[in-house]
Amino acid sequence: AQSVTQLDSQVPVFEEAPVELRCNYSSSVSVYLFWYVQYPNQGLQLLLKYLSGSTLVKGINGFEAEFNKSQTSFHLRKPSVHISDTAEYFCAVGERDDKIIFGKGTRLHILP
Amino acid sequence: GAVVSQHPSWVICKSGTSVKIECRSLDFQATTMFWYRQFPKQSLMLMATSNEGSKATYEQGVEKDKFLINHASLTLSTLTVTSAHPEDSSFYICSARVWASGHYNEQFFGPGTRLTVL
Repeated sequence: AQSVTQLDSQVPVFEEAPVELRCNYSSSVSVYLFWYVQYPNQGLQLLLKYLSGSTLVKGINGFEAEFNKSQTSFHLRKPSVHISDTAEYFCAVGERDDKIIFGKGTRLHILP
Repeated sequence: GAVVSQHPSWVICKSGTSVKIECRSLDFQATTMFWYRQFPKQSLMLMATSNEGSKATYEQGVEKDKFLINHASLTLSTLTVTSAHPEDSSFYICSARVWASGHYNEQFFGPGTRLTVL
């Protein structure tokens, strides 16, 4: 069975500083990996996804993530955060044509 | 990109009443729609998967008689919370997927519906 672990429930970071949100997954088969962002009282927006190919995936809003198969990780990074990045971030794993399993989320707090 | 809408965006109802939430794919035909529930400060939990024209498949622990799902067309799925109680208060999010052979079939998420049962 698939599972997703987001190691940090909250991450405070100063504005313009870099950030990394950690995600580890477990799966017995090849997977697809996602990062979603949720702003308060809103639905989910896809930041980026890994389906195949290059292990470094670039997404919207300056975010990127690296798929590391040996460490079963898919950490999300941004070199310089902005106050508008304050949100909840969800890592997720899915199999082809199957349901998506979400991690518990990481709340990113941007400090002025 | 593909757009999914939900209606209403928020609803308040009295305990014991039923509430219907609509999920529409606006610019594509969705063979499959998913319904999720999100409690405050928690993750999304899949409730059920509905395929157009067939019965929904519910996840373990989800009462199918409590949460009625209908997927009558390729652009519309509805979730009806029957005899709602305060513990049903939550944020309900749907997603829609179009199936294409040989491709990964991405889910597109709606904006969510906040249900408050008094």
